[in-house]
Amino acid sequence: QSALTQPPSASGSPGQSVTISCTGTSSDIGDYNYVSWYQQHPGKAPKLLIYEVSKRPSGVPDRFSGSKSGNTASLIVSGLQAEDEADYYCSSYGGSNNCVFGTGTKVTVL
Amino acid sequence: QVQLVESGGGVVQPGRSLRLSCAASGFTFSSYAIHWVRQAPGKGLEWVAVISYDASDKYYADSVKGRFSVSRDNSKNTVWLQMNSLKTEDTALYYCARDLPHWGCDYWGQGTLVTVSS
Repeated sequence: QSALTQPPSASGSPGQSVTISCTGTSSDIGDYNYVSWYQQHPGKAPKLLIYEVSKRPSGVPDRFSGSKSGNTASLIVSGLQAEDEADYYCSSYGGSNNCVFGTGTKVTVL
Repeated sequence: QVQLVESGGGVVQPGRSLRLSCAASGFTFSSYAIHWVRQAPGKGLEWVAVISYDASDKYYADSVKGRFSVSRDNSKNTVWLQMNSLKTEDTALYYCARDLPHWGCDYWGQGTLVTVSS
């Protein structure tokens, strides 16, 4: 199972929006609405931001939203804040009882 | 509150074995599947394995299939990852994480570091 493809980096100024893409195949993202997104600050464990494509766990600000079209999922971070500077990973059920993560995107707040 | 604590990491030679533990608290452990996810130094996340709430189902990434095995004891609120025939490429920080339905992970431990080196 190959990793999902994410851009290595993304950036924006405070208050702006940034969109991170996550491209898979018709066997994973394209076939299941089981996409999750995680935020990871340096030296910390990942934190769940989005599950099942667009659902937010309690406590996650609504500045974070998710969507999917075909084989590509997207995470939108609106109203960018300094604390949003982190690595972001997508994941998807890969079929055949496995999970696949994205390659990761480093978000920089300018 | 939900807590997951990994332990058992360390330095081990290639070909040897190591067993990691994940101790859970703060939730009904026997109702949740648990995942293992690893992260090589400076690299991204890689899913390793999952065990169902009652241990009836266990699934593995191709990269560890046949070498790693996952087990649990719901009376002890603990999951283990037995890692055999370790390779240098298994060097990573190993996290355990609680399963959301549908293959998401809502709570993560802080990880335990495994270094495979001669």
